[in-house]
Amino acid sequence: NAGVTQTPKFRVLKTGQSMTLLCAQDMNHEYMYWYRQDPGMGLRLIHYSVGEGTTAKGEVPDGYNVSRLKKQNFLLGLESAAPSQTSVYFCASSYLTEDRKLFFGSGTQLSVL
Amino acid sequence: GEDVEQSLFLSVREGDSSVINCTYTDSSSTYLYWYKQEPGAGLQLLTYIFSNMDMKQDQRLTVLLNKKDKHLSLRIADTQTGDSAIYFCAGPHSGGYQKVTFGTGTKLQVIP
Repeated sequence: NAGVTQTPKFRVLKTGQSMTLLCAQDMNHEYMYWYRQDPGMGLRLIHYSVGEGTTAKGEVPDGYNVSRLKKQNFLLGLESAAPSQTSVYFCASSYLTEDRKLFFGSGTQLSVL
Repeated sequence: GEDVEQSLFLSVREGDSSVINCTYTDSSSTYLYWYKQEPGAGLQLLTYIFSNMDMKQDQRLTVLLNKKDKHLSLRIADTQTGDSAIYFCAGPHSGGYQKVTFGTGTKLQVIP
């Protein structure tokens, strides 16, 4: 099993450009999450989804949109990238169980110039 | 929401024990977790403890939970160079059981 796969692994954008990060999981998990990791700030939740067709805002949703058209995929979009969105982005997924054990992808390093 | 705090850095000698500490604010937390992040990689679940437990041991790892003080610790016995990584404490977010809140992470450096 591949687990949680993120594409791309690296990307450089210019301010104002748009892009979509793709997350795919093959574990039939109900929940999926997008986090960003910045030095000294740990992981902060951007958006999450509790099932196909549903999404919800996390702690830092501004400037991002998400979609979950298929259970196995969770897309994170940046409509107009800003330098403040330079970060490492992680996707995670989990089962619908009380112990919220997360399985993470390997991350996407995004730089916005 | 949930505040989870950790110290940023810990340095130990190979063979010694490492103790990484975490404090949290949400007393309703049911599960508390420790994740490990190796350089250039995503996070992996290391171990977790249910809030009705005081201690959990798994090989070289010991998790201690002090619910009164809202303090969680991870002890790594006989620390090896392969244990060098960032360790994150995490717990369910008070704003919704679907969410997990992470601490800032503690970078463990193991000196040979």
